[in-house]
Amino acid sequence: QQQVKQSPQSLIVQKGGISIINCAYENTAFDYFPWYQQFPGKGPALLIAIRPDVSEKKEGRFTISFNKSAKQFSLHIMDSQPGDSATYFCAGSQAGTALIFGKGTTLSVSS
Amino acid sequence: EPEVTQTPSHQVTQMGQEVILRCVPISNHLYFYWYRQILGQKVEFLVSFYNNEISEKSEIFDDQFSVERPDGSNFTLKIRSTKLEDSAMYFCASSSRDRGHYGYTFGSGTRLTVV
Repeated sequence: QQQVKQSPQSLIVQKGGISIINCAYENTAFDYFPWYQQFPGKGPALLIAIRPDVSEKKEGRFTISFNKSAKQFSLHIMDSQPGDSATYFCAGSQAGTALIFGKGTTLSVSS
Repeated sequence: EPEVTQTPSHQVTQMGQEVILRCVPISNHLYFYWYRQILGQKVEFLVSFYNNEISEKSEIFDDQFSVERPDGSNFTLKIRSTKLEDSAMYFCASSSRDRGHYGYTFGSGTRLTVV
């Protein structure tokens, strides 16, 4: 009930391409869905987040698409750059309780 | 930009020893958390702390673990009698009252190695 399933585990994208990472959640009470970016040796940093009352949120090159009926959400990184190479985690949270993270996706953007 | 500060960055300890991991949350934040990340795996919730008491804990957070806010600035995680499987990155995080549990800021972590 608490799991957040993330795919793919790793992703290689050409510079300028679109990176897409998908997540599925089980707990329908989740009301907050953030994406975190983590560079080696650093803690996760909040990238973008969405609540279930909207279907899409865009911040610069990063977009979250949210499908409440399918209990799925995804991160799209447009015009991917080598500096975007990092591990990305999706997460879900219910009414201010602890964030439950997916297993992470390692993104490599090749130049 | 305000930061969550964690010390030490790397701690090596003998199995069975006690360790204390330290965190200085962002000064106006009122919610505090510990997470851990075993190498190459997902970030796992341990415990949340608000108003000087534990507000939520996971099944990982057993009697071996304890948290404390000994003064107005520090937030500590104590692991008694460490085991090999406690080796992981431990992340502290904090968030502000107006955003509730949302909008966490994570520290850079303490890498704990139990030998």
